[in-house]
Amino acid sequence: NAGVMQNPRHLVRRRGQEARLRCSPMKGHSHVYWYRQLPEEGLKFMVYLQKENIIDESGMPKERFSAEFPKEGPSILRIQQVVRGDSAAYFCASSPYSGGAWVDTQYFGPGTRLTVL
Amino acid sequence: AQKVTQAQTEISVVEKEDVTLDCVYETRDTTYYLFWYKQPPSGELVFLIRRNSFDEQNEISGRYSWNFQKSTSSFNFTITASQVVDSAVYFCALYAGGTSYGKLTFGQGTILTVHP
Repeated sequence: NAGVMQNPRHLVRRRGQEARLRCSPMKGHSHVYWYRQLPEEGLKFMVYLQKENIIDESGMPKERFSAEFPKEGPSILRIQQVVRGDSAAYFCASSPYSGGAWVDTQYFGPGTRLTVL
Repeated sequence: AQKVTQAQTEISVVEKEDVTLDCVYETRDTTYYLFWYKQPPSGELVFLIRRNSFDEQNEISGRYSWNFQKSTSSFNFTITASQVVDSAVYFCALYAGGTSYGKLTFGQGTILTVHP
């Protein structure tokens, strides 16, 4: 049973370029979460998605960042016009269900290390 | 608002020593969940344990044990007879209900180094 898949594992972009990070959840999981880990810091929540819906994007920067989880295919975190401060590890997690009276464990992918030159 | 504090930034021990990683949390919700994750040098995040607020029983899994105390809002993690392979960053995380949806709040992490 494959775990959460993320690609690429490492991504280098120059300032002003776009970065696209992909996440395929575990089989049977319909909930995806993105977190960012800045150097020397813990993980910070960015966005929570279900298929075709953004449930909570309270942790997303207001500009340049967007996320989607289409009906078919992986979830995408898109960063437009990257700046050096976007350099970080971006982790995706998935769970079968979240919220309400029951909370499922989030299982994390290996992360994408983004370096902005 | 939720908050998780891991006061120990770095811990260094010699193999076979016991080590305890502290985690203190803050939440106003009466229903919440606590987690520990391990991040080895390879960088991935590995789930270790989850505990809900209604279950204060301590848990043991091999050399790992967890002590959950609601009275002090703590969820500490002890590794008995540490090994070099335990070297990693350990994160404590909190999920609380209400409008938190699926959001986990992480502590800053504790870097554990186990020397041979």
